[in-house]
Amino acid sequence: GAGVSQSPSNKVTEKGKDVELRCDPISGHTALYWYRQSLGQGLEFLIYFQGNSAPDKSGLPSDRFSAERTGGSVSTLTIQRTQQEDSAVYLCASSLGVGGFYEQYFGPGTRLTVT
Amino acid sequence: TQLLEQSPQFLSIQEGENLTVYCNSSSVFSSLQWYRQEPGEGPVLLVTVVTGGEVKKLKRLTFQFGDARKDSSLHITAAQPGDTGLYLCAGVRGGSNYKLTFGKGTLLTVNP
Repeated sequence: GAGVSQSPSNKVTEKGKDVELRCDPISGHTALYWYRQSLGQGLEFLIYFQGNSAPDKSGLPSDRFSAERTGGSVSTLTIQRTQQEDSAVYLCASSLGVGGFYEQYFGPGTRLTVT
Repeated sequence: TQLLEQSPQFLSIQEGENLTVYCNSSSVFSSLQWYRQEPGEGPVLLVTVVTGGEVKKLKRLTFQFGDARKDSSLHITAAQPGDTGLYLCAGVRGGSNYKLTFGKGTLLTVNP
């Protein structure tokens, strides 16, 4: 079946512009995660959605970052007034649930470059 | 301070050699996972270990969880070029069964 898909695969933007990154999780997966992977920092947790529960936003680095998940499926990560330090690969993952520990399936990521 | 320290950061070996990658922490984890990531792709789960002292084998890969659940190792026997990739360990701490803390990874290159 189809895996997690993300778009765009690459995004180049100018400093100060807003960007939106999209994630389509695996059908039927109730949990969705966003991570950021940058050189020297590894993978960092950003935000987590589970069903209709309030999202865990504890990993968002600043208030310029926000995310939505509409209809319990597609998610959009928005970065406002982008800065050069936002340049990274943004990865989305989904899992079937969170009782016990469910495997997280990752998408290929969106490589964001802020010039 | 990195919660999970991976070593070595880079490893370049010849086909047929053995290697071990380490993942260490001063914190206790309720479970620990190992992932492999190839360029342009997301990480793919290799194994999850949950019990202190647990050893799991996946073909030529052997994973071990420390008795105190603070560290783990990945051993590859007779490495092959297809093993080339970024190996990541990630842990789940008590109180959260979904928030993964990742190490920075070990970039392995196996030369033919």
